[in-house]
Amino acid sequence: DQQVKQNSPSLSVQEGRISILNCDYTNSMFDYFLWYKKYPAEGPTFLISISSIKDKNEDGRFTVFLNKSAKHLSLHIVPSQPGDSAVYFCAGTMHAGNNRKLIWGLGTSLAVNP
Amino acid sequence: DVKVTQSSRYLVKRTGEKVFLECVQDMDHENMFWYRQDPGLGLRLIYFSYDVKMKEKGDIPEGYSVSREKKERFSLILESASTNQTSMYLCASSLPDGKGYTFGSGTRLTVV
Repeated sequence: DQQVKQNSPSLSVQEGRISILNCDYTNSMFDYFLWYKKYPAEGPTFLISISSIKDKNEDGRFTVFLNKSAKHLSLHIVPSQPGDSAVYFCAGTMHAGNNRKLIWGLGTSLAVNP
Repeated sequence: DVKVTQSSRYLVKRTGEKVFLECVQDMDHENMFWYRQDPGLGLRLIYFSYDVKMKEKGDIPEGYSVSREKKERFSLILESASTNQTSMYLCASSLPDGKGYTFGSGTRLTVV
C-alpha cells in the first residue's frame, strides 16, 4: 500500500516555465513533508519541507503547497532551469515511538528543456 | 560540512560473492538507514538502525544483513550476491527526531 504517491513518473517543461510536481498521501498521521532532489549517480539532497500546520513554504524558486483536506501537496519551481532536471522524491514523516518514520514516494523525473 | 560517506561509488562483483558496503557518518546521528534505488521503484528501505548494535528490518531485507558496531558506521552485507541485487545503494543518517536526514553519494553495485 503506497502511503505516499507521486502519480507522474516523469514531467517535461520548457526552461523559464513553471514546473509543478504533485504528491498525494493517505496517512493522516504525517505531520511533516519533505522534498528531496536526486541527480544520477548521486545521493538525494534535501530541497524543502513543510509542516502539516502550514499550507505554504517558500524558498527562492521553490514553493511547496499543502492541502490537508485533499491530502495533496505540490512543489512549484519558478522559473525552471535546465539544472533542475533531476528526480524529485516526496516523503511524509510521522512519529514512530521515540523516533520518526519516513515514507517515500516513487519519485518524479523532471526534464527541463533549454 | 556534514557528511555521509559511502566507501565505493562503483562496484562490480560476481554472483555468489559476499559483498560489504560501508557507510560512515560524521554527524553523531543515532539513526542510520540503507536503501536501494531502482528505476520506477523509488527508494526502498532495506534495514535501519536506531542505535549501536541495534538493527531493524525494512521493507526488503531478504538477501541482506547489516552490522552496526560503532555509532558512526553502518555496514550492509550481501551474503551471496545475486544479479537481482544489481542496484544503486544509498546510505542515510538522521537524528532521532528525523532532523538532518542526509544521504551518502550512493554505491552503484553491479553483480555479474
